[in-house]
This record gives sequence, C-alpha cells and structure tokens, in this order.
Amino acid sequence: AQKVTQAQTEISVVEKEDVTLDCVYETRDTTYYLFWYKQPPSGELVFLIRRNSFDEQNEISGRYSWNFQKSTSSFNFTITASQVVDSAVYFCALQNNDYKLSFGAGTTVTVRA
Amino acid sequence: GAGVSQTPSNKVTEKGKYVELRCDPISGHTALYWYRQSLGQGPEFLIYFQGTGAADDSGLPNDRFFAVRPEGSVSTLKIQRTERGDSAVYLCASSLKGDTTDTQYFGPGTRLTVL
Repeated sequence: AQKVTQAQTEISVVEKEDVTLDCVYETRDTTYYLFWYKQPPSGELVFLIRRNSFDEQNEISGRYSWNFQKSTSSFNFTITASQVVDSAVYFCALQNNDYKLSFGAGTTVTVRA
Repeated sequence: GAGVSQTPSNKVTEKGKYVELRCDPISGHTALYWYRQSLGQGPEFLIYFQGTGAADDSGLPNDRFFAVRPEGSVSTLKIQRTERGDSAVYLCASSLKGDTTDTQYFGPGTRLTVL
C-alpha cells in the first residue's frame, strides 16, 4: 500500500516570509518517485518537481527548494521569500514502479501582501 | 506547445442524467489518465490508457463510469445515471510513454455538479 500525508491543511504567511510544506510518504517499494504539483485557483495542476528514490540530493530552483530524506520518508518543499502569486494548493504525490500517482490531501498556502 | 485541454470546464446536470467529459492530450503523448478530485482532497486515479486501450481501469468507482479513447488521442469519460456523489472535478493528464520515467501533465479539469 502507498500513502502520502500532508499534515498541514492551511498555511498563511506575509509576503517575503519563507514557507515549508511537509510531505511524508509510505511505500513498500524500493523504487518510487515523488512529485510536487501546484494547483492555483484556475484549477490546473502544474508540475513542479520529480525525484526518484535513488537520488537524495536536495534541489533548488529559483525560490523553490526540496529536501528529500529517505530515513524519515519525507519530501519537504520550501518557498523562499514568498510572493502573492505563490498562493495555491500544493500537492505532494507518490508513484511506485507503475504509472499511478497517489496524492496527499494538499496544503493551501495563502500569501498576504 | 499546447497543453492538455478539457471540455467543458463546467458541467451542471441533474441526478440520473448521462454526461460526457472530453480530454485532449498533449500532441504525441501516448498515455492518458483520468483522475477525480473531490472537494478538499487530492486527485484519485480512475483509469489509464496506453494508446487506444484501457490498460488499467481499476480506479473507476462502478459500472456507471466508462471511458474511451478510440483513436489513441482524444478521450471521453462517460458517466451514466449520475448521482450527487459524482460531483467533483475530473482531471485528465497525459504523458509521453506511460512508463515510470514519465511525468504526467494535467489539464484544467471539468467541474461536474450533479443536482
């Protein structure tokens, strides 16, 4: 069985603050893939990052960074210097060695000006 | 290039009616997926097509739900005898090959409301 838990339902910050979104996953597979997607109010899921289970290197892309730790089964996402345009629902997802994505319940991020 | 498109963007229907939701994948993508997203939840897998065939329909909730992809491109999700519990956003995604090296790209979804 596979499961993704995003314990934070909602986070509200003031612009320029950093925000970290937690994601904890469960899987019995040794090969798996982790994703983050952003869902702005328009509704479309926007792909942000994909990470495979053999690559624990952290990644930074602009104001976004991801911290993958297999020891704690976590794949956390940080937005640095948040902006109003970052307001959205963020989903963490797990894909085992097949094609199905299992999503967490999402974290709603609100960035206030 | 163009992303995944879905029509209609919104559909309101009455309980018991039949609805069709359309998905147009990214050109050249052989794999197509349907997911359903209920309010406040993450998307849940419904069905996966590789080319024209449904390779995995294990996520379809019951036999009122059916999907086709006759020419390996556009797909239609069909719901018979709709129920209020079918109200959700139906998301379509496509990927290049449909294997684990792929990333799924999503469309904007169709919001279905059953009155």
